[in-house]
Amino acid sequence: EAQVTQNPRYLITVTGKKLTVTCSQNMNHEYMSWYRQDPGLGLRQIYYSMNVEVTDKGDVPEGYKVSRKEKRNFPLILESPSPNQTSLYFCASKRTVTYNEQFFGPGTRLTVL
Amino acid sequence: QKEVEQDPGPLSVPEGAIVSLNCTYSNSAFQYFMWYRQYSRKGPELLMYTYSSGNKEDGRFTAQVDKSSKYISLFIRDSQPSDSATYLCAMSITGANSKLTFGKGITLSVRP
Repeated sequence: EAQVTQNPRYLITVTGKKLTVTCSQNMNHEYMSWYRQDPGLGLRQIYYSMNVEVTDKGDVPEGYKVSRKEKRNFPLILESPSPNQTSLYFCASKRTVTYNEQFFGPGTRLTVL
Repeated sequence: QKEVEQDPGPLSVPEGAIVSLNCTYSNSAFQYFMWYRQYSRKGPELLMYTYSSGNKEDGRFTAQVDKSSKYISLFIRDSQPSDSATYLCAMSITGANSKLTFGKGITLSVRP
């Protein structure tokens, strides 16, 4: 089944404790992206990657890092999480940067205490 | 002014009603217009997309784009309880990222 998977689905952590949210897609997509979704603010892009070893900032990159060493994986790293990073996070992928249909993962709900 | 504005809702309608969901935008460079549906505890899924102005129909769903007014709509005919979800409009321009700019979403509830 074609899909985007994320782990963990739920995470509660404390301020300053480094964490990684993994994202993997099995559709051989070149383009991958991370979003956060907050009430009243909607979905905002954090980082994106147009292909392996090519990443760039989205609208809200502060406090996050990403890497794209393999085509299928695009982990999101929070080196020192803070409470304002409490949010619902979505990974997404699409065939190429110009392709329209973007597939979203199921989401990771992160709470930083 | 935000780039994409969407009625905040929520919206509750009886089964069988025609639903109209709308978004306005300020960036005239947007060329691709999409509607995503998001069920509770799930990621958004693409429902429809339209390039430039015009209408597109898919079953009970019709997407309309009016670039002159910077206004897009999604119509749902014969609404069903299974249509209950959050609907997000999204737009993009062609370019290096072609990232999606989303509206905040509107939650629709269709009452049996």
